[in-house]
Amino acid sequence: QKEVEQNSGPLSVPEGAIASLNCTYSDRGSQSFFWYRQYSGKSPELIMSIYSNGDKEDGRFTAQLNKASQYVSLLIRDSQPSDSATYLCAAENTDKLIFGTGTRLQVFP
Amino acid sequence: EAEVAQSPRYKITEKSQAVAFWCDPISGHATLYWYRQILGQGPELLVQFQDESVVDDSQLPKDRFSAERLKGVDSTLKIQPAELGDSAMYLCASSFHSNQPQHFGDGTRLSIL
Repeated sequence: QKEVEQNSGPLSVPEGAIASLNCTYSDRGSQSFFWYRQYSGKSPELIMSIYSNGDKEDGRFTAQLNKASQYVSLLIRDSQPSDSATYLCAAENTDKLIFGTGTRLQVFP
Repeated sequence: EAEVAQSPRYKITEKSQAVAFWCDPISGHATLYWYRQILGQGPELLVQFQDESVVDDSQLPKDRFSAERLKGVDSTLKIQPAELGDSAMYLCASSFHSNQPQHFGDGTRLSIL
């Protein structure tokens, strides 16, 4: 069973802090990884993709990938209340995405 | 930015009835996906199309669910008969190619009474 594991949270951080979201995956064959943000009652929105080991930065977001440890993370700098949402991690293998259950992030003023 | 279109946004129906969902992917996207998302869980793939062909329907309950993409563009997902356990968000996504990022539509919230 190919799995993607995330802590369901909630992860609570103060406004302006760094939020760190983590994800592990079981299938070593996974090549591509994605982070989606999902507001309550809305559909997932792609925010980051990462394909190789290391860090990838896009604005306030940094995705980190360590294939040896089968670990993906998302850092959100200068967290804002508008970042409060569920963050879904997804791993791709054989052109199919496996999603985690998501981590709920709460940013309080 | 181009979007994936889905309709209806909400559907309430009684068990044993038939329901249908429609999806129009981003223009030029060859791969189309239908997902089901139960509250508190991640999306679960039901069916994946490459153009008009099904490439993965291993998780589709074929006794009651069907999906088609006849001309390789828009797609329909049908449930007949609906059961109480089918209450969920049904999401459509598309990608330019199967190894490219997927973009989701707004989804259809289905409630079975």
